[in-house]
Amino acid sequence: NAGVTQTPKFQVLKTGQSMTLQCAQDMNHNSMYWYRQDPGMGLRLIYYSASEGTTDKGEVPNGYNVSRLNKREFSLRLESAAPSQTSVYFCAIQPSGLGELFFGEGSRLTVL
Amino acid sequence: DQQVKQNSPSLSVQEGRISILNCDYTNSMFDYFLWYKKYPAEGPTFLISISSIKDKNEDGRFTVFLNKSAKHLSLHIVPSQPGDSAVYFCAAMPRLISGGSYIPTFGRGTSLIVHP
Repeated sequence: NAGVTQTPKFQVLKTGQSMTLQCAQDMNHNSMYWYRQDPGMGLRLIYYSASEGTTDKGEVPNGYNVSRLNKREFSLRLESAAPSQTSVYFCAIQPSGLGELFFGEGSRLTVL
Repeated sequence: DQQVKQNSPSLSVQEGRISILNCDYTNSMFDYFLWYKKYPAEGPTFLISISSIKDKNEDGRFTVFLNKSAKHLSLHIVPSQPGDSAVYFCAAMPRLISGGSYIPTFGRGTSLIVHP
């Protein structure tokens, strides 16, 4: 999907376990985003990064951390997973000067 | 408080007919509007956009209309095809300025089913 690669595509965790979702772009765009999608709730922004080394909270940041160590990669970490974090997670990039986001294929996470 | 509202969770249409998906927004700073389409097990894909300087934008079978005074936009699909069956998200953002990072606010989506 538009040069955005997410790993893993599926993951099952137990409550309290930690994991990191990885996102990488094969372009050179500054802005990267993490969203979660839940039934009836649309796409909700977790965190975003306007440029390498900067990150900001979105609408639903609690329980998550992010890291933007270089321009290509933006990772999302769950330190202690909870069942409420069961969701589909999407990473997106935004070319500068454009409004459109381009999304990855998603990572489906289940927390038992 | 939802700034972008899609009040119809679902819509069912017969193949060949028109599909009209609606979206309302509350923030008067929103200046650029987008529609995304999402199939199951895939990421959302950009469909069409419109700037507030226009009231209509057309791309093939897809047309977006914007009524700024009513803070309302709609997506028309004519004619509808079974392959159009998907979830459609409306999104809005403030005016784009070069070098800025502008975060779209998404609605909750409308699930369109087009029956053969």
